[in-house]
Amino acid sequence: QVQLQESGPGLVKPSQTLSLTCTVSGGSISSGGYYWSWIRQHPGKGLEWIGYIYYSGSTYYNPSLKSRVTISVDTSKNQFSLKLSSVTAADTAVYYCAREASSERAFDIWGQGTMVTVSS
Amino acid sequence: QSALTQPASVSGSPGQSITISCTGTSSDVGGYNYVSWYQQHPGKAPKLMIYDVSNRPSGVPDRFSGSKSGNTASLTISGLQAEDEADYYCSSYTSSSIPWVFGGGTKLTVL
Repeated sequence: QVQLQESGPGLVKPSQTLSLTCTVSGGSISSGGYYWSWIRQHPGKGLEWIGYIYYSGSTYYNPSLKSRVTISVDTSKNQFSLKLSSVTAADTAVYYCAREASSERAFDIWGQGTMVTVSS
Repeated sequence: QSALTQPASVSGSPGQSITISCTGTSSDVGGYNYVSWYQQHPGKAPKLMIYDVSNRPSGVPDRFSGSKSGNTASLTISGLQAEDEADYYCSSYTSSSIPWVFGGGTKLTVL
């Protein structure tokens, strides 16, 4: 059974770069047929899709964040990562990694989420 | 403001049925059969309940069903149970600048 687990600092200073990693277990990120996404949820708010990466390295980002977002994949470690630069308090949120099955066009597996607070 | 519109809250008594609506446009809900629904309990990650408008993943009770008419999708939960109390989010594939949009979420209270 595939599981996702986010990891990274829970506190980031303003103007710095937020870095998170999602480790995939129980399956290979290189198996194809899936897009690996980052999604965030501001406190008490709805969900916001940040971007995705395919195992080949192709990416697609939310235009509202595109200038600050980089998503990368490390197939040897079965991980994919998120970097969000120049963070502000508005980036404080719970960050989820999630798998989208291209055949189902839905996010069928989610990590437990990690809270990231931007504060000095 | 979310791209898809959901009611902020709905409620129902155990055993009853409720329906949550999700209204979009012809560029998302109305244009594709890629509507999904997620259940989120407090402090937990969202869980996929419905995909492709009306399909249930393995393990999701058949009390949960989805449908779509025009630009509005709906999630119906029949035979409400206490454990159904949660937030529910709809999502749709879209032809806009991002592939996925979400609704603002609906809080379901089981009375």
